Amino acid sequence: KAGVTQTPRYLIKTRGQQVTLSCSPISGHRSVSWYQQTPGQGLQFLFEYFSETQRNKGNFPGRFSGRQFSNSRSEMNVSTLELGDSALYLCASSLAVGDTDTQYFGPGTRLTVL
Amino acid sequence: AQSVTQLGSHVSVSEGALVLLRCNYSSSVPPYLFWYVQYPNQGLQLLLKYTSAATLVKGINGFEAEFKKSETSFHLTKPSAHMSDAAEYFCAARGGGYNKLIFGAGTRLAVHP
Repeated sequence: KAGVTQTPRYLIKTRGQQVTLSCSPISGHRSVSWYQQTPGQGLQFLFEYFSETQRNKGNFPGRFSGRQFSNSRSEMNVSTLELGDSALYLCASSLAVGDTDTQYFGPGTRLTVL
Repeated sequence: AQSVTQLGSHVSVSEGALVLLRCNYSSSVPPYLFWYVQYPNQGLQLLLKYTSAATLVKGINGFEAEFKKSETSFHLTKPSAHMSDAAEYFCAARGGGYNKLIFGAGTRLAVHP
């Protein structure tokens, strides 16, 4: 079974631009979560989606948004990019949103904001 | 806010030595606990998880972890380190007082010959 795929793997943007990252979950998984990983803040939860509905949201500004499609694929968008948005963005999928459901992570998208 | 604490941001061991990576949770209601490993330029891979079925959990690559409620801990161990174990390890919690997967800051494990 194919793992979680994220596109693109690397991205370079300038301040003020916007960016869209894509995540395709493992086949049959209906939940997708997004995380931001930086050297200073570590791994921080962004959002969690299940069946096209946002079930949980982390403490990020409104510039960060996401959505999930009927095929469980998910996208996240960051508008008006800031230098501090440079990070590795990780997507994870799981069968459902139970507390014991294992989240399987993709390789991430490395975003650099200049 | 609920937190997960990993003591030691860097741990260095000799090949063949015991690996001990520490993790403590802060919730008064024990959460479900996970250990993930991240190799350079890769995503996270699940090593093992505690779901209250057994306090001693065995995972992949020879790792295991023991849940101790009295110490609010879930330390990760491996009897004999291998060079390929060099990576960053993350402890995470969900459930109990945690409504989402919360990660510790990570511990970078170095293994030297």
